[in-house]
Amino acid sequence: QKEVEQNSGPLSVPEGAIASLNCTYSDRGSQSFFWYRQYSGKSPELIMSIYSNGDKEDGRFTAQLNKASQYVSLLIRDSQPSDSATYLCAVRVGGYQKVTFGTGTKLQVIP
Amino acid sequence: DVKVTQSSRYLVKRTGEKVFLECVQDMDHENMFWYRQDPGLGLRLIYFSYDVKMKEKGDIPEGYSVSREKKERFSLILESASTNQTSMYLCASSGSNSPLHFGNGTRLTVT
Repeated sequence: QKEVEQNSGPLSVPEGAIASLNCTYSDRGSQSFFWYRQYSGKSPELIMSIYSNGDKEDGRFTAQLNKASQYVSLLIRDSQPSDSATYLCAVRVGGYQKVTFGTGTKLQVIP
Repeated sequence: DVKVTQSSRYLVKRTGEKVFLECVQDMDHENMFWYRQDPGLGLRLIYFSYDVKMKEKGDIPEGYSVSREKKERFSLILESASTNQTSMYLCASSGSNSPLHFGNGTRLTVT
């Protein structure tokens, strides 16, 4: 079982719709969770971090964490063509600085 | 803003050469990381360091070594480059339990 799993996609959504990206992780000791966006040919850039159960909102982005079910998700409201990118989920186990990434989900927002 | 600088954007080396990839961060971060990114495989951790002169193996350390003599600098060394080490190499830094900040990446080609 992979430590961090994501559906590779592509996930296609129409402009203005909600995009839902999911990530599951295997280590119950995981305590820090991050979502990154990566455009083709560029390095990953941080969108959001989340550390406790529940929802965290930042503009059009909402991260959701459910530690009991070991999943973290990212919702993008009012999706724009500029949101088309690969979204990477990353997880850090508590008390340990190693950060493990999923393979990423490619999102395509269709105008 | 955190700045992570990788010394080269593109690098071409020959099989058997010793290769140094340099990374410098300006935020006094304790942690520094080296990942490689390949299509379909996502970001895979090679090595990370949580303090000066301290290092830990990641998931794919074979064929690589690292050096951290100063807090701001983390070097990745390919002792004898091979064609299967052709990849995008990403350096990142973070504070304790904080998100990673990435450099622009070094695309290494080994011929």
